[in-house]
Amino acid sequence: ETGVTQSPTHLIKTRGQQVTLRCSSQSGHNTVSWYQQALGQGPQFIFQYYREEENGRGNFPPRFSGLQFPNYSSELNVNALELDDSALYLCASSLQTGGTKETQYFGPGTRLLVL
Amino acid sequence: DAKTTQPTSMDCAEGRAANLPCNHSTISGNEYVYWYRQIHSQGPQYIIHGLKNNETNEMASLIITEDRKSSTLILPHATLRDTAVYYCIVRVPDNYGQNFVFGPGTRLSVLP
Repeated sequence: ETGVTQSPTHLIKTRGQQVTLRCSSQSGHNTVSWYQQALGQGPQFIFQYYREEENGRGNFPPRFSGLQFPNYSSELNVNALELDDSALYLCASSLQTGGTKETQYFGPGTRLLVL
Repeated sequence: DAKTTQPTSMDCAEGRAANLPCNHSTISGNEYVYWYRQIHSQGPQYIIHGLKNNETNEMASLIITEDRKSSTLILPHATLRDTAVYYCIVRVPDNYGQNFVFGPGTRLSVLP
């Protein structure tokens, strides 16, 4: 158990809809990263939040957006869902101090199915 | 793209040591080697990381070659619960939003 929690565990949406996924970081961690993992592939980095601001982004379109709250929890929002958005969405938390980011610890993920 | 190459799959007998290799020939001087594993449909689990010295913890040992171009993760006494996909990642722990770049990993099957 890493102490990172995600909700919901599973979700079914239809194409064109919007979805919000939630993540609570491990106690003491101030940084949250989001990853998308398609079936049979390794996780792909979406973006990271530190001090409530986006602090790095992977190759994902603007319809993927996020938030980080003062308690360091985070949301991932995806607009205009496409079939290819079906995946396991992973949240990872870590502690960033000065110029160093510590090890990331992953939550169990949210499995999204877009029909 | 991932900066590491790993075998696609490996088998190991239960109770024996599992040695998982990783090549990272383009690793930079300040990049660490990280290992994670992912058991089916769960989130990746941190195992160990190191810079240039060998590392050991309660889960595994990490052996990094002197030139740092390759490493080996050792699970000393593999159990059936160690069956998973193992990811080797190189990364600089800086503050510029750089994150883990996962490759396809090695699928380890521990056989009874």
